[in-house]
Amino acid sequence: GAVVSQHPSRVICKSGTSVKIECRSLDFQATTMFWYRQFPKKSLMLMATSNEGSKATYEQGVEKDKFLINHASLTLSTLTVTSAHPEDSSFYICSATRPWEGSAGYTFGSGTRLTVV
Amino acid sequence: GEDVEQSLFLSVREGDSSVINCTYTDSSSTYLYWYKQEPGAGLQLLTYIFSNMDMKQDQRLTVLLNKKDKHLSLRIADTQTGDSAIYFCAESVGGATNKLIFGTGTLLAVQP
Repeated sequence: GAVVSQHPSRVICKSGTSVKIECRSLDFQATTMFWYRQFPKKSLMLMATSNEGSKATYEQGVEKDKFLINHASLTLSTLTVTSAHPEDSSFYICSATRPWEGSAGYTFGSGTRLTVV
Repeated sequence: GEDVEQSLFLSVREGDSSVINCTYTDSSSTYLYWYKQEPGAGLQLLTYIFSNMDMKQDQRLTVLLNKKDKHLSLRIADTQTGDSAIYFCAESVGGATNKLIFGTGTLLAVQP
């Protein structure tokens, strides 16, 4: 149980286009999801906290107009990278909290490798 | 502030014990975690420890927490080649938001 599906796993797009990444909790309802970005051989940097039915909370330095987050249902959060540029190429990972496990309950998606050419 | 540091690289021989260290700065952390990431994959939760505990053991894994020094370690007994991966420590901060702040990651290389 407690599976988070992230799609696509890999995407290559042209500079200037937008890319949408989906994060779904398959067998539980996730009121809160998190989006992380990971550069090669680097740690995961929290980008934003996504709350169902409300605006996402972005970390300092993350452009909200660049990285659009929508959490319209209890099982789906999306991250859209708008007008992508090569510097947006990265590994993006989402996670969802499992409320019944309190602070120990984080499930991570398998990540999306974005390459902007 | 939120800052979690780890050594970048650790190399051990198969069968030896591995110890991966982590220091953090947020004294209000309630939980601290160890995650494993294999190449090109997501994160796998290995274990976690509540901040009022000093030690937790789970099969080959032993977590030690020194809250006074804000130091966390993960010991892997009888390290196997399949343990080769990047290991991240993480702390939960932010109270109700419970966001995770990750360490810089330690690449564990296990030599046969």
